Amino acid sequence: NAGVTQTPKFQVLKTGQSMTLQCAQDMNHEYMSWYRQDPGMGLRLIHYSVGAGITDQGEVPNGYNVSRSTTEDFPLRLLSAAPSQTSVYFCASMDTGSAKNIQYFGAGTRLSVL
Amino acid sequence: GEDVEQSLFLSVREGDSSVINCTYTDSSSTYLYWYKQEPGAGLQLLTYIFSNMDMKQDQRLTVLLNKKDKHLSLRIADTQTGDSAIYFCAERGSSGGSYIPTFGRGTSLIVHP
Repeated sequence: NAGVTQTPKFQVLKTGQSMTLQCAQDMNHEYMSWYRQDPGMGLRLIHYSVGAGITDQGEVPNGYNVSRSTTEDFPLRLLSAAPSQTSVYFCASMDTGSAKNIQYFGAGTRLSVL
Repeated sequence: GEDVEQSLFLSVREGDSSVINCTYTDSSSTYLYWYKQEPGAGLQLLTYIFSNMDMKQDQRLTVLLNKKDKHLSLRIADTQTGDSAIYFCAERGSSGGSYIPTFGRGTSLIVHP
């Protein structure tokens, strides 16, 4: 199993550009989420999804859109990139069928917005 | 909202024991977790403890849970340079059927020879 796969690993954008961060999982997990990680701030939840067709906002949703058309994929869209969105982005999935609710993380996308 | 607090840095000498502490506020926490993030990588589950336990041991790792004080600790015996990483404490409550865990800010463990 590949687990959670994120692409690209690195990206540099100019202010105002748009892009989509891809996330795919092959574990048939219903729950998926996006976090951003900034120094000293830990992980902050951007958006999450409890199943195909269902998404909801996390702690820091502004400037980001998500959709969940399939169980496997959960892309994160930056509509108009800003320097404040420079960060490391992690996608995670969770087996909600188990009470332990362990999260599985991708390797991250390192984004710089100039 | 619920909160998870942990210190940001810990420095130890190779071969010593490391103890990383965490406090949380959600009294309905069911599972508590320790995740490890190595440089340039994502988080990986290190260990977890169910709220009805007070200790769990797994090789060099010992997790202690004091539910009354809402305090969780991770002890790493015989710390090695390969243990250098960021360690995140996380908890999952049971209120409202939410799956969403709450993470601490992470403790950077620095192991020096």
